[in-house]
Amino acid sequence: QKEVEQNSGPLSVPEGAIASLNCTYSDRGSQSFFWYRQYSGKSPELIMSIYSNGDKEDGRFTAQLNKASQYVSLLIRDSQPSDSATYLCAVNTPGFQKLVFGTGTRLLVSP
Amino acid sequence: GAGVSQSPRYKVAKRGQDVALRCDPISGHVSLFWYQQALGQGPEFLTYFQNEAQLDKSGLPSDRFFAERPEGSVSTLKIQRTQQEDSAVYLCASSFDRRSSYNEQFFGPGTRLTVL
Repeated sequence: QKEVEQNSGPLSVPEGAIASLNCTYSDRGSQSFFWYRQYSGKSPELIMSIYSNGDKEDGRFTAQLNKASQYVSLLIRDSQPSDSATYLCAVNTPGFQKLVFGTGTRLLVSP
Repeated sequence: GAGVSQSPRYKVAKRGQDVALRCDPISGHVSLFWYQQALGQGPEFLTYFQNEAQLDKSGLPSDRFFAERPEGSVSTLKIQRTQQEDSAVYLCASSFDRRSSYNEQFFGPGTRLTVL
């Protein structure tokens, strides 16, 4: 079992819809969770971080964390074609500074 | 403000050559990380520095890979006797907070290494 799992997609949504991206992780001790956006040929860009159970909202983005179920999700409201990218879920475990990444979910937003 | 910078952005090497990749972190950031990203995959951890100390090198794939950060700022990742399987994008990230629970890492643009 991979430490961080994501559906590779592509996830296709029409413009204006809500895109829902999911991620599960295996280490119950994980405490920090991050979503990065990566455009083709570019490096990962941090868009959300979440540390506590529940929801965290930032503009059109909402990160959701459920430690009991070991999943973290990212909702993108009013999706735009410019949101088309690969979204990487990353997890950090206490005692280790490194981030462990999933393989990413490719999101396609059609006009 | 200035972000993480990396050079060169692209590097083509013949198999067996040595290469050196440079990373200049965000000013004041204590922690520096190197990751390797293969096509279609997420970044994979290579090594981590806190100031000049290399605290974790568990991800370095072989003894051909060596990293240093002698003055606690700029870092160099060196790959000796490059092999075709070393072809990847090498990403550098830096983080201000040394506490692992609040470890927001910011990435540079990466160096795309192609080994022929």
